[in-house]
Amino acid sequence: EDQVTQSPEALRLQEGESSSLNCSYTVSGLRGLFWYRQDPGKGPEFLFTLYSAGEEKEKERLKATLTKKESFLHITAPKPEDSATYLCAVRKENTGNQFYFGTGTSLTVIP
Amino acid sequence: DAGVTQSPTHLIKTRGQHVTLRCSPISGHKSVSWYQQVLGQGPQFIFQYYEKEERGRGNFPDRFSARQFPNYSSELNVNALLLGDSALYLCASSISDRRDTQYFGPGTRLTVL
Repeated sequence: EDQVTQSPEALRLQEGESSSLNCSYTVSGLRGLFWYRQDPGKGPEFLFTLYSAGEEKEKERLKATLTKKESFLHITAPKPEDSATYLCAVRKENTGNQFYFGTGTSLTVIP
Repeated sequence: DAGVTQSPTHLIKTRGQHVTLRCSPISGHKSVSWYQQVLGQGPQFIFQYYEKEERGRGNFPDRFSARQFPNYSSELNVNALLLGDSALYLCASSISDRRDTQYFGPGTRLTVL
């Protein structure tokens, strides 16, 4: 069965304390893995798209990596404004542009 | 450039009523998808439309329907509302129906009493 699992469910970090969020997937025919950031009550904000194992993308304090079974979102020296829920989504072959989301990791960065 | 817009922002309905949610995609985007997000969960796919045709449907009952207009805007309709339909309804637009990043709107918060 196709699954997208994110861990941990919640993460509390001190400002400046680097860490990683995990997104593991078991889908047949991956055609893209996407990371989004979502603030409470708002729509998801696009961060990264990864298509193939070994690919990496960076933006400010965030870096996303992809293997054949999982993706990591590394957060370096986080700031309180990085507090949000981070969502991972995958697109499978033969499903058009339908995204399958994990349940997210809620990140809190304490000053 | 304006992003994806949705209306209304919030909506309160009672059980059995119907509701219409609206979405305008980013200029130049021809595909619109609808997602339902229950509190504490990730978004769940409902529909995708491209060039006014339905290109995908998630595991939702027939009470849910949608359409896309010639200007690529879209409506999501839900009939016979249930308490369990209370959620954040998200619209996402992409350039086409394949291999494109989806950009989300702010959502419509629907509360069913």
